[in-house]
Amino acid sequence: AQSVAQPEDQVNVAEGNPLTVKCTYSVSGNPYLFWYVQYPNRGLQFLLKYITGDNLVKGSYGFEAEFNKSQTSFHLKKPSALVSDSALYFCAVRDQNSGYSTLTFGKGTMLLVSP
Amino acid sequence: DVKVTQSSRYLVKRTGEKVFLECVQDMDHENMFWYRQDPGLGLRLIYFSYDVKMKEKGDIPEGYSVSREKKERFSLILESASTNQTSMYLCASSSGQAESYEQYFGPGTRLTVT
Repeated sequence: AQSVAQPEDQVNVAEGNPLTVKCTYSVSGNPYLFWYVQYPNRGLQFLLKYITGDNLVKGSYGFEAEFNKSQTSFHLKKPSALVSDSALYFCAVRDQNSGYSTLTFGKGTMLLVSP
Repeated sequence: DVKVTQSSRYLVKRTGEKVFLECVQDMDHENMFWYRQDPGLGLRLIYFSYDVKMKEKGDIPEGYSVSREKKERFSLILESASTNQTSMYLCASSSGQAESYEQYFGPGTRLTVT
């Protein structure tokens, strides 16, 4: 079975400061990992993914994420937060050994960036 | 860009009604998915389909059925709507090609059952 944990329901950060949104995962094999963002009353937008290769993955809107196999983590980061980054963020995982293309999503972390 | 559209943004139905939610994608994706999103519970997979006329149950299929008669269209059916099916419903699609597993989402349908 595959699972994802987002340990923080909410993260608060001031504009201009670096931000981190945490994600840990559990799979039986190797993981495929994803981050999505959801703005109010909208669907989820794909930000970035880790499939293989470099542990640091760069994505849309200046976001990046670092894959850490030993800690089974895939934290989302941004060097300088913007007020417009305020949204709900979801981490997702798929086990490479899975026969289907389903993803398991975390419960989401609300990011609030204050001016 | 991938575009996934859903037939309604907001829908209000009465208990016991049969409800159809439609989803269409324009990227020739093999896989399509229906989720419901509830506060504090994240996204939960209802059903998915990996080919025309094929369907698989997700984590919470009870009270729902699906139909995929054409590759681009995936319908979610609530046979007899109940108040506990009030939720945000999200449709998604993804390619069947290796390493292209990211899903692309529609804008969602907020369903209220009274």
